[in-house]
This record gives sequence, C-alpha cells and structure tokens, in this order.
Amino acid sequence: DADVTQTPRNRITKTGKRIMLECSQTKGHDRMYWYRQDPGLGLRLIYYSFDVKDINKGEISDGYSVSRQAQAKFSLSLESAIPNQTALYFCATSVSDTGELFFGEGSRLTVL
Amino acid sequence: QKEVEQNSGPLSVPEGAIASLNCTYSDRGSQSFFWYRQYSGKSPELIMSIYSNGDKEDGRFTAQLNKASQYVSLLIRDSQPSDSATYLCAVNSGGSNYKLTFGKGTLLTVNP
Repeated sequence: DADVTQTPRNRITKTGKRIMLECSQTKGHDRMYWYRQDPGLGLRLIYYSFDVKDINKGEISDGYSVSRQAQAKFSLSLESAIPNQTALYFCATSVSDTGELFFGEGSRLTVL
Repeated sequence: QKEVEQNSGPLSVPEGAIASLNCTYSDRGSQSFFWYRQYSGKSPELIMSIYSNGDKEDGRFTAQLNKASQYVSLLIRDSQPSDSATYLCAVNSGGSNYKLTFGKGTLLTVNP
C-alpha cells in the first residue's frame, strides 16, 4: 500500500459542483501539502499545513479550501469547480528537517 | 515572485552519454535545492538534494550548486533509457519552513 494515499484517483465533474480530494498518510509526518500540476506550468503550491492547527495558503489558493482533520489526513475542497481547475493534484508530506517531499499518486480532476 | 527556471527540453541524449540539466533561481536567500524525477503518469520522487556550494555525487548522479551565480545543475553519467523522465528542480526559500518552489521541469529522453 502507498504511504501517501489520494482519493479519488480520477474524477470528472461539472462546473459549479463541489469537489473534495482526500489525502491520508501512514508516514507519520507532520507536514502536508497540496500541489497542482499543469502541462507547461509545473507544480504549484495550493495549501500547506505543518500540524493539525496550522493551515497556510500557497501561491494559488484562490478557489480552494483545505481541512486538516488529523495528523494523517488533509483534504482539499473546490467549493464551486470551474474548468480552469482541471489539473493533476498531488498531496505530499515531509519531515521538518530535510525538506524532502513524499508525493501521493495524484488525483486527476476534469471539470467540464 | 520567487522563480525557478529550467529549460523545458526535450533534451535527447544517446545511451551511455552524460545528460546535463540546468536550473536557475531568483531568490538569492535560497538555502537548499532539490532534484526530483517524474516518470510519465507518475508522481515526483526525490533523487538529489544539495545545500552547499560545490558538487555532490550519488552513484551516476552529480548535483552542482553555485550560489553566487544562482545556478544548480544535475549531471547524469552513463545515461540509461530508464532515466527518461521529466526532471524537476526545486528550491527552498522558506528556511526551516521548507516551502519549495518548483521549476517547470526538463524532459529527458535517453535513446538506446
């Protein structure tokens, strides 16, 4: 089983729908991140959390919200999905002293 | 806006050759630097980290850092077809917060 698990792996939805992407980890890391990846734009940070009570905006947080339900769970929500949120979304974890990110397998979201 | 620049490629090299991947960054205060490899359809995985000026070698991989020139590179010796992937340069400008900024990646193809 993957150490960082994302669900769903693929999702097609319509404009205006609410979508939640979930991430759970068994690595015991405190830090969790959500990135999106678009062709030609690379990986961009949406939100990050250093512990359950700490939530921080990344460079492209508009249109997104997150919830850190437990140390091991970090969810990303799109309250009203729009087509330009079509992308590959990655959850990642890290330990505090190395900066190495461990990525989940990705969630491919298509907004029609 | 902190930027990390990479040539998008594709970079094509014959099997057994040296592949050279380059990255420049805008934030002079950046402290740690990472190379991630991403196979098509997969999640990124860390292959090298470097924190001080000079070279760091790990098997066939050598990372080179020049903070004065704000330049970091990755050399892959004896390139193999299995090295064909997108290589992402990531820079930490957040100190102990380890908030990474990624370049857009360079696609490397190693031809048998």
